[in-house]
Amino acid sequence: ETGVTQTPRHLVMGMTNKKSLKCEQHLGHNAMYWYKQSAKKPLELMFVYNFKEQTENNSVPSRFSPECPNSSHLFLHLHTLQPEDSALYLCASSPQGGGKAFFGQGTRLTVV
Amino acid sequence: QKEVEQNSGPLSVPEGAIASLNCTYSDRGSQSFFWYRQYSGKSPELIMSIYSNGDKEDGRFTAQLNKASQYVSLLIRDSQPSDSATYLCAVDYTGTASKLTFGTGTRLQVTL
Repeated sequence: ETGVTQTPRHLVMGMTNKKSLKCEQHLGHNAMYWYKQSAKKPLELMFVYNFKEQTENNSVPSRFSPECPNSSHLFLHLHTLQPEDSALYLCASSPQGGGKAFFGQGTRLTVV
Repeated sequence: QKEVEQNSGPLSVPEGAIASLNCTYSDRGSQSFFWYRQYSGKSPELIMSIYSNGDKEDGRFTAQLNKASQYVSLLIRDSQPSDSATYLCAVDYTGTASKLTFGTGTRLQVTL
C-alpha cells in the first residue's frame, strides 16, 4: 500500500449513470491529482488540487467533476460518460512543492 | 506542447544484464525528473528521482541526467525477472506545484 487508497477498484457504468470515484491519502500531503491512463497513451493529468483549491483543470470535459473537501480526500464525479472515457483513473498525492507523486491503486472504469 | 518521449519497447534483456532505459524531453526549463515502475494491472510506483546533472545511484538503479542534451536515463544492473514492467519517465516542468508530464513508458522484459 502506498498510503493512497482509491475506491472502487472496478466500475462498470452506463452512459446515463452518475457515479463517483473516491480517493483518500494518509501521507499528510497537500496536493492531490486525478490522472487518466488509456492504453497506448501517456498518463494524462486531469485535475490538480493544492490545499483543497483547484489549481489545474487540463481541459477536461464537464462530465467529469472533481471535488476536494479537504487535503486528504478527493472525489471525481462522473455523469453522462462516453465509451471512450473507459480507462484507468489514478489518484495521486504529493508534498507541497515536491514532484514526488504517490499513486493509488486506480479505478478501472468501463462505460457501456 | 511539452513532451516526454520514450521508446515503447519491449526492451528484452537477459537475467543478470544491464537494462538501459532512455527518455528525452522537450522543455529546457524542466526542473525535476522521475522514473516510475508500473507492473501490469497496477499503479505507477516511484523508484528514482533526479534533479541535477550527473548520476544518482540507489541500489541496482542508476538515474542519469544530461540537461544540455535534454536526456534522462535509467540503468538497472543485474536485471531480475521481477524487474519486468513498464517504466515511465516523468518530468516536472513547473518546479513548484508538481505538475508531472509522463512519457508513454518502455516495457522491459527480463528473460531467464
